[in-house]
Amino acid sequence: AQTVTQSQPEMSVQEAETVTLSCTYDTSESDYYLFWYKQPPSRQMILVIRQEAYKQQNATENRFSVNFQKAAKSFSLKISDSQLGDAAMYFCAYRSPVGFGNEKLTFGTGTRLTIIP
Amino acid sequence: GAGVSQSPRYKVTKRGQDVTLRCDPISSHATLYWYQQALGQGPEFLTYFNYEAQPDKSGLPSDRFSAERPEGSISTLTIQRTEQRDSAMYRCASSPWGETQYFGPGTRLLVL
Repeated sequence: AQTVTQSQPEMSVQEAETVTLSCTYDTSESDYYLFWYKQPPSRQMILVIRQEAYKQQNATENRFSVNFQKAAKSFSLKISDSQLGDAAMYFCAYRSPVGFGNEKLTFGTGTRLTIIP
Repeated sequence: GAGVSQSPRYKVTKRGQDVTLRCDPISSHATLYWYQQALGQGPEFLTYFNYEAQPDKSGLPSDRFSAERPEGSISTLTIQRTEQRDSAMYRCASSPWGETQYFGPGTRLLVL
């Protein structure tokens, strides 16, 4: 079974600075998908970014980018120019390839990010 | 619809009562998922549907939990004889087949 580990329960960053959230995972599969979801105080679950394991290039969405190291099974999220609205719980998640009957998301325990004005 | 909707948003019930939670997915999405999220934890998979078929219900914690999606659109999650340990946020997500899952706002269940 796949596992996802987020070793940083809490992180804080000064507004406008850059912060990196860590995520590692364990799998024997060669193809899979990785996600970062954000859960603000409203407790909505919002997709931040997605990475396909077969793609060499790291995904980027505006101020959010990932550092995907497949051999190390590492998938960190970098937030540049941090804004107050980025304050949230961030969850890393893993999903198996489609068609193998195991398409659930497996989540880590989350990292609570605080933005300091 | 424009997004995934869930109802009710909050539910308080007494131990031993049955509750039914509802999920209305994005209309074009074939696949629908249910997750349970305890406070301070990440969501945990309960079950999912491809249209009305339910290929995997391995995450349902006991036979008190059941889900259905009879017409391949709206889904319900029923918890019978609720227990205090069932208190959690219940999240529904939908996706086009094989694609990214989009979550609804969740139903917060409190069992007294």
